Amino acid sequence: EVQLVESGGGLVQPGGSLRLSCATSGFTFSSCWMHWVRQAPGKGLVWVSRIKSDGSSISYADSVKGRFTISRDNAKNTLYLEMNSLRVEDTDVYYCVRGFSAYAAYMDVWGKGTTVTVSS
Amino acid sequence: QSALTQPASVSGSPGQSITISCTGTSSDVGGYNYVSWYQQHPGKGPKLIIYDVSKRPSGVSNRFSGSKFDNTASLTVSGLQAEDEADYYCSSYSSSSTVVFGGGTKLTVL
Repeated sequence: EVQLVESGGGLVQPGGSLRLSCATSGFTFSSCWMHWVRQAPGKGLVWVSRIKSDGSSISYADSVKGRFTISRDNAKNTLYLEMNSLRVEDTDVYYCVRGFSAYAAYMDVWGKGTTVTVSS
Repeated sequence: QSALTQPASVSGSPGQSITISCTGTSSDVGGYNYVSWYQQHPGKGPKLIIYDVSKRPSGVSNRFSGSKFDNTASLTVSGLQAEDEADYYCSSYSSSSTVVFGGGTKLTVL
C-alpha cells in the first residue's frame, strides 16, 4: 500500500522556522517527482514546491521562494520542507504529494497532511 | 502566479451534464497542454481525474472529460450521479516551472 505520512507541523511564532518531513512507503520513491501542497480548512489547494526524483530540478511558488527549501533523501524514502521566516499567512495544512507517473505537473497520491500554525 | 479562475459553484440534476470552466493566461493554461483536474470529497485527499487536458488515469469514469480553448480549460461531467458531488480543482503547469491551481468549484447534485 502506498503511504505518505507527514510530520513536523505545529505552532510557531512569526519569523520562526519549522521542518516538515514526509515518510513514504509502498512505491519506488527515488523514481517519483514529489510535491508539497497546502490547504486551509474549507479553502482551496495551493501548490508550494516540487522536486524531481533525483533532486536535480526544484521549483517554488513565488509566495515561498527564498523562505522555504524542499529536499529529499532517497535512501530514507523521505521528503522534507524547511520553512523559514514564517508568516501568519503560511498557516495551513501541508500535504506531501506524489507526482503522477513521470509527469512533473500532476499528482496522484496525497498524505493526510500536517498542520502549521503561525501565530504570536 | 495568480490562481486560475473557476466558478465557485455549479449544480445539476442526476443524469444531466455540467461543465466547469478554468480560466488562466498564456503563461499557464494557454501556453501548455499540461492541464489537470482533481476531485475532492469532504475530508478526503484530491483524486486526479484528468491530465494532459483530456486524458483520464486508469480507473476514472469516462463520464469525466476535459478540453481546452485558448486560455480556458473545461471539465465536463456527464450523466451526473450523486457520488459526483464534490469540490473540483483545475491545475496547470506554469512558466518558471511552477504549478498553479484554480480556486475550486463546488459541484452540487440536486
